Amino acid sequence: EPEVTQTPSHQVTQMGQEVILRCVPISNHLYFYWYRQILGQKVEFLVSFYNNEISEKSEIFDDQFSVERPDGSNFTLKIRSTKLEDSAMYFCASCPGEVLQPQHFGDGTRLSIL
Amino acid sequence: GQQLNQSPQSMFIQEGEDVSMNCTSSSIFNTWLWYKQDPGEGPVLLIALYKAGELTSNGRLTAQFGITRKDSFLNISASIPSDVGIYFCAGQTRYNTDKLIFGTGTRLQVFP
Repeated sequence: EPEVTQTPSHQVTQMGQEVILRCVPISNHLYFYWYRQILGQKVEFLVSFYNNEISEKSEIFDDQFSVERPDGSNFTLKIRSTKLEDSAMYFCASCPGEVLQPQHFGDGTRLSIL
Repeated sequence: GQQLNQSPQSMFIQEGEDVSMNCTSSSIFNTWLWYKQDPGEGPVLLIALYKAGELTSNGRLTAQFGITRKDSFLNISASIPSDVGIYFCAGQTRYNTDKLIFGTGTRLQVFP
């Protein structure tokens, strides 16, 4: 069964550095998402992306964050000037956009800011 | 913002027992979904509900979309050790391409 794949599985970065988290959504899917889960908490929406532009973003998704679909397969989340509180699991999800077709999640990237 | 409250927060049960958990909101949702998350992994979809009153099963799992559109429950029958994990409800307010709003989670422990 097709899967959403995310790399790396674990990223350790010094505070203040920039990180890029990568996702390969399921190939025929058109809608892409990033979510965040701080340890022990619920999953929170960050941003949704469709037709090469952001369709919705949460208040968490400020100027520190950006997303890009640089080619036909990858979907990236860039975090600039990382802070300690950016430490979390970051999940990518995708859905085809057809009726009754839900979002499918990758296994996440654990981001640790030191 | 919109919030989904899940209960119970955690459950400790004996293998073979049935489990029931629910999710409530003050807002109306058009879609309810139930996901399971194992440690170090992403949420895996269990059941998706698209119509108020809908009752759907997936093996030993049964979920219902509340008639008021403000709640949903998930039942697991005859629990087994691999049911251990965190169960999240999630809702969408309009379309199935909308963001997911997640509940607070129910942590399930199953003892042999």
